[in-house]
Amino acid sequence: EAGVAQSPRYKIIEKRQSVAFWCNPISGHATLYWYQQILGQGPKLLIQFQNNGVVDDSQLPKDRFSAERLKGVDSTLKIQPAKLEDSAVYLCASSPVTGINTEAFFGQGTRLTVV
Amino acid sequence: GENVEQHPSTLSVQEGDSAVIKCTYSDSASNYFPWYKQELGKRPQLIIDIRSNVGEKKDQRIAVTLNKTAKHFSLHITETQPEDSAVYFCAARSPLGSARQLTFGSGTQLTVLP
Repeated sequence: EAGVAQSPRYKIIEKRQSVAFWCNPISGHATLYWYQQILGQGPKLLIQFQNNGVVDDSQLPKDRFSAERLKGVDSTLKIQPAKLEDSAVYLCASSPVTGINTEAFFGQGTRLTVV
Repeated sequence: GENVEQHPSTLSVQEGDSAVIKCTYSDSASNYFPWYKQELGKRPQLIIDIRSNVGEKKDQRIAVTLNKTAKHFSLHITETQPEDSAVYFCAARSPLGSARQLTFGSGTQLTVLP
């Protein structure tokens, strides 16, 4: 089974620039998550999609972060403008939408460095 | 929302000894508790999980226990090996309306000394 694909793997940008990350979930997985993992911390949920609808974006800094999941498959996460504190690994995960036995499968992540 | 606390943040054990990592959660409605292992530079991977209707689950050298009353759960690794060295994250899933939020602890860096 193919895993969750993310690109790019690494990105270095200057503060105030914009950046976009891409995620392709496991085929057939209806739920897609974007997590932010700051060095030394656990993943923090930014946004959760069910198919192409947002079910939770309460922790997404909406003044600078945006995400979409057109057609309920691939997703993009954008930061504009970036700040130094946005330096982190951005993890995408997906899971099937059935009951409570739904393991979240993670991608390799995109390591963002804002200088 | 759910809050998950994890202890200790770092743990060093001798090869062959046991390691125990503990987590507490705040939302009594949480019903799914996975544990993830993350090696340096790699993605988190599920190693074991437990549902709220089960008190204990074991898979070879790994076991997880859940105390719903006290709202805490623990990961036990026996006969540790150097390849067990990694960061371990606990998580709790709370049924929030139609969403099933997965909230992570802050992680435990486990080092197994040969």
